[in-house]
Amino acid sequence: EVQLVESGGVVVQPGGSLRLSCAASGFTVDDYTMHWVRQGPGKGLEWVSLISWDGGSTHYADSVKGRFTITRDNNKNSLYLQMNSLRKEDTALYYCAKKAMARGVIGYFDNWGQGTLVTVSS
Amino acid sequence: EIVMTQSPATLSVSPGERATLSCRASQSVSSNLAWYQQKPGQAPRLLIYGASTRATGIPARFSGSGSGTEFTLTISSLQSEDFAVYYCQQYNNWLFTFGPGTKVDIK
Repeated sequence: EVQLVESGGVVVQPGGSLRLSCAASGFTVDDYTMHWVRQGPGKGLEWVSLISWDGGSTHYADSVKGRFTITRDNNKNSLYLQMNSLRKEDTALYYCAKKAMARGVIGYFDNWGQGTLVTVSS
Repeated sequence: EIVMTQSPATLSVSPGERATLSCRASQSVSSNLAWYQQKPGQAPRLLIYGASTRATGIPARFSGSGSGTEFTLTISSLQSEDFAVYYCQQYNNWLFTFGPGTKVDIK
């Protein structure tokens, strides 16, 4: 069974930094592109970033480009999101999600974690 | 960026009735369109991919159609567990975008 478990969400001040983690299990992690998707309080889903199965390709939403960095450690079956220069509008539940098909970058998401809550507030 | 819109924002339906949800893309996404269901306090769940293919374990009452810029999700006979928010998502390129969602609630 595929499991994705996010952690690292806390309350942080504007301008602060935070690193989120996602522990993956139940599949061959290094075959799959992984994503971060966020959902602000009472709002819809916003794609944030992706990293290819081998870490060789990364992409970001314009809203986080230059501030967030996605990485992965396939030896630890883990995905990370380094978040710097945090803003109030970054307050959200952050989900990690798995691309459905092995290899490739483009595709839909077939498994999601339960999310970790990031609150940016002074 | 491809902008996704959904209508209506809220759909009030009685159990057993049919629900039809619409999704529109600002430019063609071919059939690279997925639908997700989200219940309160839960993560999104994949329902449909490739515009019309049901994901594993999704009941046959859920069906998707469309291509290009116009898409539809139909729930043929609403069950109590189907009251939720439904999002469409395009994956035609790496700048993935979601629609704002349609909330299906009990009439």
